[in-house]
Amino acid sequence: AQKVTQAQTEISVVEKEDVTLDCVYETRDTTYYLFWYKQPPSGELVFLIRRNSFDEQNEISGRYSWNFQKSTSSFNFTITASQVVDSAVYFCALSEAFNRDDKIIFGKGTRLHILP
Amino acid sequence: ETGVTQTPRHLVMGMTNKKSLKCEQHLGHNAMYWYKQSAKKPLELMFVYSLEERVENNSVPSRFSPECPNSSHLFLHLHTLQPEDSALYLCASSQDLGGGYNEQFFGPGTRLTVL
Repeated sequence: AQKVTQAQTEISVVEKEDVTLDCVYETRDTTYYLFWYKQPPSGELVFLIRRNSFDEQNEISGRYSWNFQKSTSSFNFTITASQVVDSAVYFCALSEAFNRDDKIIFGKGTRLHILP
Repeated sequence: ETGVTQTPRHLVMGMTNKKSLKCEQHLGHNAMYWYKQSAKKPLELMFVYSLEERVENNSVPSRFSPECPNSSHLFLHLHTLQPEDSALYLCASSQDLGGGYNEQFFGPGTRLTVL
């Protein structure tokens, strides 16, 4: 069965600090996709990254970086030099590549507060 | 601005009312989705449409009735709702169906309160 666990319900850090959001997933498939989405106060989920299960290279995009480790079934997200605008709820998600119902399983989200 | 719009943004309704939520995507996508986001629960996929045909209905109560008249518009008709249906209802679209290799673009949601 698919499952995504974001153990951190809420995190607060002071601006300019680095922060890592944890994501652990479960799947029986060997081919799957992992996602991170950001949900600012305005409500819409903003797509940040997709990673397929065959690509374990870490990725960096500006202040954002992602660490994918299949050995620990984790796909962690780090924000470097955080800014107040990074305050949002962040969701990690999983989709098995050949699922028939096109379902993306979301974690419960981590609410991130960046304090000025 | 993700290219997916939803109206209304906020809705308060009684249990005997009938209302509809509207979603429109301006991205030329072929698949559209309805999700329910309740407090402290993961997002729940409700309905999936591809090329105006429903391909998924995740055991959603019949008081929620979707409609997809064309690939750009998706409605969620509501009737005889319960207070526990109060939630944020999110619409999303993707280029096509296909597991995880088509990322979904989300609208801002409709915050629904059922009294």
